[in-house]
Amino acid sequence: AQKVTQAQTEISVVEKEDVTLDCVYETRDTTYYLFWYKQPPSGELVFLIRRNSFDEQNEISGRYSWNFQKSTSSFNFTITASQVVDSAVYFCALSEAGKSTFGDGTTLTVKP
Amino acid sequence: DTAVSQTPKYLVTQMGNDKSIKCEQNLGHDTMYWYKQDSKKFLKIMFSYNNKELIINETVPNRFSPKSPDKAHLNLHINSLELGDSAVYFCASSQGRVIRYEQYFGPGTRLTVT
Repeated sequence: AQKVTQAQTEISVVEKEDVTLDCVYETRDTTYYLFWYKQPPSGELVFLIRRNSFDEQNEISGRYSWNFQKSTSSFNFTITASQVVDSAVYFCALSEAGKSTFGDGTTLTVKP
Repeated sequence: DTAVSQTPKYLVTQMGNDKSIKCEQNLGHDTMYWYKQDSKKFLKIMFSYNNKELIINETVPNRFSPKSPDKAHLNLHINSLELGDSAVYFCASSQGRVIRYEQYFGPGTRLTVT
C-alpha cells in the first residue's frame, strides 16, 4: 500500500527565513510519481512540481527547490527567503498504479 | 477562462436531503476526479473517471454516486446527506489514464449539512 507522511503539521517562520517541508513516502512499485501542491488561504489547490521515480535530479524554480532521494524515500521541498505570500498548506502526493495518495499537509505560516 | 469549474461554490442543506455538485473542465483532459477535504484539511480521493469510465472507486458510501456524461464533465450526486458529509469537495482533471501528470483542481464546493 502506498503512503505519504508529512511529519510537520505546522511550521511558523519569519519572513526571509529558509524553510524545508519534509515528505516521506512508501511504495512497492518501481514506477511512481511524486507531486507537491500548494493550498493558499483562498482555498484553491495549485500544482507546484512533478517528479517520476526515475528522475532523481533536484530542481530549482526561483525560491523553490526540491530534493528527491530514493535511498531515503523522501521528496523534500525548500523555500528560500520565505515571504508572507508563501503562507499556505502544502501537500505532497504520490501516484502509482493509477492511484493517488496525498499526505496530510503541512501548514506553513510566514510572519512579516 | 476557468480551467476546472465547479457549481455551486457553497451548498448548505439539511440532513436527509439529496444534492448534486457539477464539474466541468475545458483542458481537454481524459481523466477527472472527485476529492473530499475534511475540516482538518485531509485530502482523500473518492472517484476517478477516464473517458466516462470509472477507474477509481475508493471506499466511499454508496450514497455517493458519480456520473460522467462526457469526458469534460463529472458530477457528484449525494443521497441522504449526513452531518459527516460536511466538507469541501474538489473536482480535478489530468491527462491520461494513469496519474502520472499533475492534476488541475477546481475551486471547491463547501458542503455544509445541518
